Amino acid sequence: SAVISQKPSRDICQRGTSLTIQCQVDSQVTMMFWYRQQPGQSLTLIATANQGSEATYESGFVIDKFPISRPNLTFSTLTVSNMSPEDSSIYLCSGRSLSSTDTQYFGPGTRLTVL
Amino acid sequence: GNSVTQMEGPVTLSEEAFLTINCTYTATGYPSLFWYVQYPGEGLQLLLKATKADDKGSNKGFEATYRKETTSFHLEKGSVQVSDSAVYFCALGTSWGKLQFGAGTQVVVTP
Repeated sequence: SAVISQKPSRDICQRGTSLTIQCQVDSQVTMMFWYRQQPGQSLTLIATANQGSEATYESGFVIDKFPISRPNLTFSTLTVSNMSPEDSSIYLCSGRSLSSTDTQYFGPGTRLTVL
Repeated sequence: GNSVTQMEGPVTLSEEAFLTINCTYTATGYPSLFWYVQYPGEGLQLLLKATKADDKGSNKGFEATYRKETTSFHLEKGSVQVSDSAVYFCALGTSWGKLQFGAGTQVVVTP
């Protein structure tokens, strides 16, 4: 199974600022995804991170607010831009296994609090 | 569209009790089905999966059977421990590898 790490693990940010979250996978994965988990809620898919091209966003999420990069097969970043308290959530990245293509492995998440 | 419905929590049990968490789904085709677990303060871990009808996924004493006729994937464990206290998410695999999650069910096991 892939091991996925995220940085930072948590942060407290001021309204109006931006935060970039990094996701590193220890082996190649076919696809990478970013999810948001609002307090006490389930996970909602933000976007699919595509290597070398623009991410594919789900309904309700836009590139200006959540720019995503994926420069290679094992690394991706998510930026939460112009933050407001409503952005306080856990942000998780995941990778779809190369060997078992229907299985996703998740990072530990980044707990973001916006004041 | 696709959807996953889980029983609401919290589910509170005594140690060694039997656990069932109901999960039903709506989907086109034959998606893979998953149970993920989230321990307090941690990310999601894959608990088990099933990829086709009548498959049984199992791990750490947990089991779930893919029932196409009832569109269900209920999670069971015969004897829970305090360490099983967590939030459990049922999910289905949609097109292009995405996951559709249920709302999650919190399980609290008391000594």
